[in-house]
Amino acid sequence: SAVISQKPSRDICQRGTSLTIQCQVDSQVTMMFWYRQQPGQSLTLIATANQGSEATYESGFVIDKFPISRPNLTFSTLTVSNMSPEDSSIYLCSVESQGDLSRFYGYTFGSGTRLTVV
Amino acid sequence: QKEVEQNSGPLSVPEGAIASLNCTYSDRGSQSFFWYRQYSGKSPELIMFIYSNGDKEDGRFTAQLNKASQYVSLLIRDSQPSDSATYLCAVNFYGNNRLAFGKGNQVVVIP
Repeated sequence: SAVISQKPSRDICQRGTSLTIQCQVDSQVTMMFWYRQQPGQSLTLIATANQGSEATYESGFVIDKFPISRPNLTFSTLTVSNMSPEDSSIYLCSVESQGDLSRFYGYTFGSGTRLTVV
Repeated sequence: QKEVEQNSGPLSVPEGAIASLNCTYSDRGSQSFFWYRQYSGKSPELIMFIYSNGDKEDGRFTAQLNKASQYVSLLIRDSQPSDSATYLCAVNFYGNNRLAFGKGNQVVVIP
């Protein structure tokens, strides 16, 4: 299955600033997914990032707040802009894992970025 | 609105017993169903996924799917202390790789 390197693993940021989270995958993938996990909650999909096109955002999430880049098939970034304490969450990227002959192995997650906004 | 429900509270099971977790979903058109395990402070890791009605077994884990009842479950046999974690049910509602997650069930295996 795909291996994802996500960084930073954690950060403490001042309100009003921005943080960019990076995900690097060890294989080429068509779609990358960005999730948020608020304290004690489950995962909520923020957006889907395809290479060469604008990301598709879920209801409640907007590009100005969470701009995403997808410059190639192995890399993506998510920026959390103009942060407030409500943005304190774990942010995770995810990809579909495929093996030989495009066999499906499920969805793999990065190790997550624990963001605290003060 | 597409929903995934995991309503049970924390589940405590003695070591060696069977842990049973349930998940219901709102959309009859849902195509694939996933169970993830998440240790505290860690990211979710896939246990198994299921597409077809019936049972699917992988080691000590069995997923059961009943599309007519819109119900998917996970059984953990011979529970071990290392199985203590939160278990997340996820459903592919949209057929385009986007997953909706339930709130999760915490499992505590008591030695």
